Amino acid sequence: DAGVTQSPTHLIKTRGQQVTLRCSPKSGHDTVSWYQQALGQGPQFIFQYYEEEERQRGNFPDRFSGHQFPNYSSELNVNALLLGDSALYLCASSSWMVEDEQYFGPGTRLTVT
Amino acid sequence: EDQVTQSPEALRLQEGESSSLNCSYTVSGLRGLFWYRQDPGKGPEFLFTLYSAGEEKEKERLKATLTKKESFLHITAPKPEDSATYLCAVQARQAGTALIFGKGTTLSVSS
Repeated sequence: DAGVTQSPTHLIKTRGQQVTLRCSPKSGHDTVSWYQQALGQGPQFIFQYYEEEERQRGNFPDRFSGHQFPNYSSELNVNALLLGDSALYLCASSSWMVEDEQYFGPGTRLTVT
Repeated sequence: EDQVTQSPEALRLQEGESSSLNCSYTVSGLRGLFWYRQDPGKGPEFLFTLYSAGEEKEKERLKATLTKKESFLHITAPKPEDSATYLCAVQARQAGTALIFGKGTTLSVSS
């Protein structure tokens, strides 16, 4: 049973550029949430997608946007990158039937220079 | 404001030396409290969900308990492989299923 997968593993971008991160949920899951984890901090909720729509959003600017595809996979896009966007980006998947259990992927380490 | 505070920030134990990690929370209606384990550079690994005061759950050397204001993660006779950062998170009823995390407790167990 494949767990949550994310790509790429690592990414280095320059300030002002745009980046796209990808996530495939655990088999049987239909809901995808994205979190940002800065070094030494706990993860912070960015947004959640269900049925290809953004269902819930945290306190992040519009530079952060996302998409969910019919196969439940998801993308996180960040425009106009800032140095402060450097972090581990985590994707978590869950099922609408068991919403409370969220399973995380290994994350994408984004470094903005 | 919904908030989670974990203590201590770091904890060093000898193998076999039992201890507890604390997670205190302020939330407008608790939907659930979650414990995760995170190894360096990896994603959090789900451990437990607790829903109501008085509830307890166990897994190997770990036991999680919940009161109306805090949760404890008890580690009995830890081994070096238990070394990791332990994250506590809550879901608030008015905030859907978004997880609100604390900063974590980094546990180091030496042999």
